[in-house]
Amino acid sequence: DAGVTQSPTHLIKTRGQQVTLRCSPKSGHDTVSWYQQALGQGPQFIFQYYEEEERQRGNFPDRFSGHQFPNYSSELNVNALLLGDSALYLCASSTRNTEAFFGQGTRLTVV
Amino acid sequence: AQSVTQPDIHITVSEGASLELRCNYSYGATPYLFWYVQSPGQGLQLLLKYFSGDTLVQGIKGFEAEFKRSQSSFNLRKPSVHWSDAAEYFCAVGGWGASYGKLTFGQGTILTVHP
Repeated sequence: DAGVTQSPTHLIKTRGQQVTLRCSPKSGHDTVSWYQQALGQGPQFIFQYYEEEERQRGNFPDRFSGHQFPNYSSELNVNALLLGDSALYLCASSTRNTEAFFGQGTRLTVV
Repeated sequence: AQSVTQPDIHITVSEGASLELRCNYSYGATPYLFWYVQSPGQGLQLLLKYFSGDTLVQGIKGFEAEFKRSQSSFNLRKPSVHWSDAAEYFCAVGGWGASYGKLTFGQGTILTVHP
């Protein structure tokens, strides 16, 4: 079992650009959650996908959007990037009966 | 609204000494509680979790935590720290039902271990 895998591992983008991050959940997991972890902070919940729909959302602007595919993998899209979007983006997968398992994250740098 | 407070931003201990990391939470219902560990630039690894039942839970790497409902606390302990325990530790709270999978994290406690 490969666990939760995220791609890419590192990414550098320019302000105003758009970015897509990808996540493959742990085998058997049907729920994917995304978190943003700014330097020196704890992870902040962005949103959660289940059955290809956004089920819960944290306090993030509409520039942050996502998608879940039939195979349960997920994408996080961020439009109109700001310098403040620079962070480690973590994907977590789970089921109703398990805790969240985290991937290694994608380090996004906006310049 | 749910929240987690980790009062200690940075703790330094000597190798072999005991460790206690503090965590206080606020949650409107019976919570799920977690401790995760993160090495620099890496993802989060689950150390232990509390869902229900025995309030003293055992985790990996010799860690344990005690759930105290009256104090809204879930402190992490280890009797003897190893140099490899140096990392950042996060306490998190979550719910079940419609809220499962959504975690609220504390700001983390950085652990430094002196030889």
